[in-house]
Amino acid sequence: DAKTTQPPSMDCAEGRAANLPCNHSTISGNEYVYWYRQIHSQGPQYIIHGLKNNETNEMASLIITEDRKSSTLILPHATLRDTAVYYCIVRVAYQGAQKLVFGQGTRLTINP
Amino acid sequence: DGGITQSPKYLFRKEGQNVTLSCEQNLNHDAMYWYRQDPGQGLRLIYYSQIVNDFQKGDIAEGYSVSREKKESFPLTVTSAQKNPTAFYLCASSGTGGVGNSPLHFGNGTRLTVT
Repeated sequence: DAKTTQPPSMDCAEGRAANLPCNHSTISGNEYVYWYRQIHSQGPQYIIHGLKNNETNEMASLIITEDRKSSTLILPHATLRDTAVYYCIVRVAYQGAQKLVFGQGTRLTINP
Repeated sequence: DGGITQSPKYLFRKEGQNVTLSCEQNLNHDAMYWYRQDPGQGLRLIYYSQIVNDFQKGDIAEGYSVSREKKESFPLTVTSAQKNPTAFYLCASSGTGGVGNSPLHFGNGTRLTVT
């Protein structure tokens, strides 16, 4: 199973772009990269996912390197409400079901 | 709005008692999951179900039981055999459109405290 490595914490100023890195050097060719975030005492919220190409939605952009060994989640204009723990996850196969292996994530703090 | 409802948000029980956590979804998702989260840790898979009347053990199933009698419901029972039941429990569901098209959707969790 591919594992991910993320910095334990990051800070970003409100209104600036927040760039959260993730390393997944052992990712397999058919494994997707997913990003979730969790605000304290709530369930994780899906943000975005991708396989090879860069992706963008209303919440964020996902940049995946050409060798797929790392990715960056970009929150273009961070707000105080973006303060949360961000998880970078690689989709693994587990008896036919979708098992997501969650690491410790990155605690992102947006400062006013 | 479609979503996943977990109840109650906080639950307190005495040691030795079984307790059942509720999870209901109206997303028409086939697959449902239970995760456990301890302070400062990631999520660990307890049980999952692909379809009605079928479920499989996850990484830490000992001391837990589930049922899947209806597509919308996937209750989790924490039995007295679970040695460290105090934790934050999260229920999730996903569609079956293939891994690239079916991210997990989570409920807001139940925080169980056993004393």
